[in-house]
Amino acid sequence: GIQVEQSPPDLILQEGANSTLRCNFSDSVNNLQWFHQNPWGQLINLFYIPSGTKQNGRLSATTVATERYSLLYISSSQTTDSGVYFCAVGLAGTASKLTFGTGTRLQVTL
Amino acid sequence: DTGVSQDPRHKITKRGQNVTFRCDPISEHNRLYWYRQTLGQGPEFLTYFQNEAQLEKSRLLSDRFSAERPKGSFSTLEIQRTEQGDSAMYLCASSLGARPSNTEAFFGQGTRLTVV
Repeated sequence: GIQVEQSPPDLILQEGANSTLRCNFSDSVNNLQWFHQNPWGQLINLFYIPSGTKQNGRLSATTVATERYSLLYISSSQTTDSGVYFCAVGLAGTASKLTFGTGTRLQVTL
Repeated sequence: DTGVSQDPRHKITKRGQNVTFRCDPISEHNRLYWYRQTLGQGPEFLTYFQNEAQLEKSRLLSDRFSAERPKGSFSTLEIQRTEQGDSAMYLCASSLGARPSNTEAFFGQGTRLTVV
């Protein structure tokens, strides 16, 4: 099956710092989503971005499908950004499951 | 519409008991998925429905697990003869789409199962 790797696995930032999270995948995809999992386990949709670039406030994401990677940028980080960030992909030519990476655990300190 | 809803949020059960979880998807979504997440890992796919048809099942879905979506709306996931290894967060998601394309999936808050 498709492999999804996220880096770094852990990240500690001071409030106000910027960061870049990376997601590499091993095959062609027709779906790529970034999620933030809060401490209660809820997966919050950040971006649906199988290709191209999107921005939402302090967050932006870019997917280069031909090179099989996606990047999530967090600018001016806040303590509320803490949690686990997951990248999940759907294999091209299929219409079913998302395959998740192992996540990046982000801690933003004062 | 308040999104994907799961019930219960938490379940503690004794080993060997049966448990059933419910998922109500976003009302216009024709696709429904179940995932399982253990501590420190990303969610793993269990099964997928398009309307009432169960179209794919993971090898993770042992014979003790069964899922239904009888009228193409809500879904139930039953685990029979629970084992301690079944302790996990069970997540439901829904999306709207037609084969072979995919669209954005939205997740519920999950049911956290603890088997003692």
